[in-house]
Amino acid sequence: KAGVTQTPRYLIKTRGQQVTLSCSPISGHRSVSWYQQTPGQGLQFLFEYFSETQRNKGNFPGRFSGRQFSNSRSEMNVSTLELGDSALYLCASSPRQGAVRNTIYFGEGSWLTVV
Amino acid sequence: TQLLEQSPQFLSIQEGENLTVYCNSSSVFSSLQWYRQEPGEGPVLLVTVVTGGEVKKLKRLTFQFGDARKDSSLHITAAQPGDTGLYLCAGEHNFNKFYFGSGTKLNVKP
Repeated sequence: KAGVTQTPRYLIKTRGQQVTLSCSPISGHRSVSWYQQTPGQGLQFLFEYFSETQRNKGNFPGRFSGRQFSNSRSEMNVSTLELGDSALYLCASSPRQGAVRNTIYFGEGSWLTVV
Repeated sequence: TQLLEQSPQFLSIQEGENLTVYCNSSSVFSSLQWYRQEPGEGPVLLVTVVTGGEVKKLKRLTFQFGDARKDSSLHITAAQPGDTGLYLCAGEHNFNKFYFGSGTKLNVKP
C-alpha cells in the first residue's frame, strides 16, 4: 500500500507570494490533517479534513487554508507568505473519523523556505 | 504551553546504554502514539497504545501507557546508532486531533 505522498518536496518562495502544497493520503483513508513543524515550535496542528469538510482547526491565521477533494486528496494554501512561514509542512492521513483510537500516518513533508 | 511535555529534550549516550523517554500530561488521551523522525523526513509511526497500563514491545523498544492514560514512556534497551533520531509522542484528544510533545533528540554514539 502506497504511503502518504506530498508534493513538492522542496520549494523556495519570496515574501508576499502564495504557495499551494498537495497531499495524497493512503488509499482508503478519508481523513487528512496538516501540521507545521519548526525547530522552535515543534509540530503544530493546522487543520483536518474529512469528506471534503474541515472538522478541526488549529490556531493559525486565516492566511493558512486548505481543502479536500472527493478523492480525499488535499491541498493547503498559504497566502502572503512571511519569513516565519518557513517550515516543514506535514500531511497525515488516517482511516476513519468519528471514533477514538485513530492512528495517523505522515508523509515525508514539504520543505518551504521563504526568502 | 504544550499539552504534552516530553523529557528529556536532548539525550546523548553511548552505544549499548539503556534510556527512557517520558511523555506527560494533565489531560486524558484516548490513544497515544510514538513516532521517530529523521532529519528532513516525516515522522514514522512506532506504536499506538490505547489501554491504560498497556505495555507494548517492539524489539528493543518498550512502550507503556499510564494507568490513567495521561502519560507514557519509551524505554530503549542497548541503544544502537541506528536509534538516533527525534522521538515524538502524540496524544489523541478529540476525534482525530493530535497533540504532539516537543520531542526528544536522541544521539547514540558508536
